[in-house]
Amino acid sequence: DAKTTQPTSMDCAEGRAANLPCNHSTISGNEYVYWYRQIHSQGPQYIIHGLKNNETNEMASLIITEDRKSSTLILPHATLRDTAVYYCIALNNAGNMLTFGGGTRLMVKP
Amino acid sequence: GAVVSQHPSWVICKSGTSVKIECRSLDFQATTMFWYRQFPKQSLMLMATSNEGSKATYEQGVEKDKFLINHASLTLSTLTVTSAHPEDSSFYICSARDQGREQYFGPGTRLTVT
Repeated sequence: DAKTTQPTSMDCAEGRAANLPCNHSTISGNEYVYWYRQIHSQGPQYIIHGLKNNETNEMASLIITEDRKSSTLILPHATLRDTAVYYCIALNNAGNMLTFGGGTRLMVKP
Repeated sequence: GAVVSQHPSWVICKSGTSVKIECRSLDFQATTMFWYRQFPKQSLMLMATSNEGSKATYEQGVEKDKFLINHASLTLSTLTVTSAHPEDSSFYICSARDQGREQYFGPGTRLTVT
C-alpha cells in the first residue's frame, strides 16, 4: 500500500471548518483513500473513503485531487468532540489490512 | 452498523500471569480479524492477522508463542498474552473485516502488568 504523509498536528477553532491534508503521491490506481480517527483511549472510528470522486457523508467530506496524489478531509463545523488523531490510509481493497502511520492530531479549541 | 466488542475493556495483572482478551463481531461474520497494539502517544502497530479456522499470521518482531491468537469462529477471536511482563502493558485493539472487505474496530483493551 502507498505511503501517506500528514502534518503532525493542527488546531481549529470550534465551529469552523477543519481541513486535514494528506499526501499520497505514490498511490496506485486501485488504492482507495481511507480516513479514520481515534479519540483518546478508544478504537479507531471509520470516517469516509473514496477512490477518485469527492465523497460526502454525515461526518465529513473527502476531496481528492484529480491526479489522486493528495486529498483533504473536511469537517465542516468542528466541535470539541472532534479533537482526535486523524489517520489517512491508502488501501488496496482486495484484502489488505489497514496500516496506520502517525496521523494528524487535531485540537479543536473553544 | 457493524459493531465489534472487546472484553475486558481494561485489565490489571501480575507479572508472570496470562491474560486473555476477547474480540467479537456482534452483527456480522468476520472471516478475518486483526490485532493491533498501541503504546502511549504512538500509532497502532499491527501484531497479527487471524483467519477463521487457521493459524494466525504474525508481523515481524511479534512473538507468536507469547501472543497466542485463536479464531475459532466467524464472530470470535481471542488474544492471550502469556507470562505477561510490565513491558507488555499497552492498549490492545482488535478489528474485524466483513464480507464487504470493510474493517471495523473494537473499543480496545488496556492491559497493565504490575
